[in-house]
Amino acid sequence: KQEVTQIPAALSVPEGENLVLNCSFTDSAIYNLQWFRQDPGKGLTSLLLIQSSQREQTSGRLNASLDKSSGRSTLYIAASQPGDSATYLCAVLMYSGGGADGLTFGKGTHLIIQP
Amino acid sequence: GAGVSQSPSNKVTEKGKDVELRCDPISGHTALYWYRQSLGQGLEFLIYFQGNSAPDKSGLPSDRFSAERTGGSVSTLTIQRTQQEDSAVYLCASSLATRGADTQYFGPGTRLTVL
Repeated sequence: KQEVTQIPAALSVPEGENLVLNCSFTDSAIYNLQWFRQDPGKGLTSLLLIQSSQREQTSGRLNASLDKSSGRSTLYIAASQPGDSATYLCAVLMYSGGGADGLTFGKGTHLIIQP
Repeated sequence: GAGVSQSPSNKVTEKGKDVELRCDPISGHTALYWYRQSLGQGLEFLIYFQGNSAPDKSGLPSDRFSAERTGGSVSTLTIQRTQQEDSAVYLCASSLATRGADTQYFGPGTRLTVL
């Protein structure tokens, strides 16, 4: 059974710092990996999707990398801003094998950017 | 364009009652997913639809849970004889195609409280 772990569980940094959020997964036979952010009381907003054949994706100040063989992904946030404060979730999709086709999520990193 | 919508946004019910949750996916999205987010369990996948069919229902927590999708669009998640442990936020997502090659877009969720 796929397990997704996110480290750290919580992080508080001053505005302007660059930071890295980590995600690891136990089964490397993934179809893709997605990073989401969730604001309190809200749904999930997709940030980046990396297909299993890709190594990284970039969007603005965000860069996500994927090392499928080692079961790791990182989300790099450059020049952090208070508006980046949210919970960041990593999720993987497994290949079909008769099993469920939904995303398997980590428990998230709760990020606070101090003004 | 319009995103994924869910109704109701909040539902309070008494133990033993049946509830029905509704999801309207993004127009043109063929794949639809249901997830549950609870404090103790994090985000867990329940079921997905490709068109009107659900290939795998093994993610549903118990036989009190059922879901259907008609006309390849709106989906309803029904919980019969609700229990307190069913209290959670139920999230719906849709994507353009199946197998997650495309980003999953999430709705705001329905917060279910079982008294």
